Amino acid sequence: DIQMTQSPSSLSASVGDRVTITCRASQGIRNDLGWYQQKPGEAPKRLIYAASSLQSGVPSRFSGSGSGTEFTLTISSLQPEDFATYYCLQHNSYPITFGQGTRLEIK
Amino acid sequence: EELLVESGGDLGQPGGSLRLSCAASGFPFSSFDMNWVRQAPGKGLEWISYISGSGNNIKYADSVKGRFTISRDNGKNSLYLQMNSLRAEDTAVYYCARGVRLGSWGQGTQVTVSS
Repeated sequence: DIQMTQSPSSLSASVGDRVTITCRASQGIRNDLGWYQQKPGEAPKRLIYAASSLQSGVPSRFSGSGSGTEFTLTISSLQPEDFATYYCLQHNSYPITFGQGTRLEIK
Repeated sequence: EELLVESGGDLGQPGGSLRLSCAASGFPFSSFDMNWVRQAPGKGLEWISYISGSGNNIKYADSVKGRFTISRDNGKNSLYLQMNSLRAEDTAVYYCARGVRLGSWGQGTQVTVSS
């Protein structure tokens, strides 16, 4: 199974900050990676697919990069609605696996 | 608008059974592979099962293999998860998700396993 190691597990930041979250895959997954945002009581919402493609309707302050084993999600200028939990997901091979999640909190 | 709506979540007994459904609309259901993902209370996301658009290719996580069965009815635009031999650790919100890239998700249905 491919392990996805996500860091940090939690992060405190302020509105307007630039934030980066990282996922590392235990083996190469090409660009078969997505990033998701989840707010309490809601279903996950995909932000990024194919490692760097922005999902339709998602603000451009969100961006993704990486290929192979190292991936990043960057939020260029945090907005109040961005405080949530973020997950990476690899779909290169089954079982599909998720990162452990990053809880983004208001400082 | 593409929509996925799960149902069937309930309080189940240990060793018992439940059947979840996911009703799809707004897209050509038979053209899309589908997945089930769950989230235990306060925990992260766990993929549990996959089915191809035709239904001919199926995969399971080790945690549910031999107990859960995924199926679909393309004529009814519906996905199912038959859950047998329920355990306390199956308590979670269960989501259906569309495609190999899990692009869109339903709102989830709560399954609680307790005596």
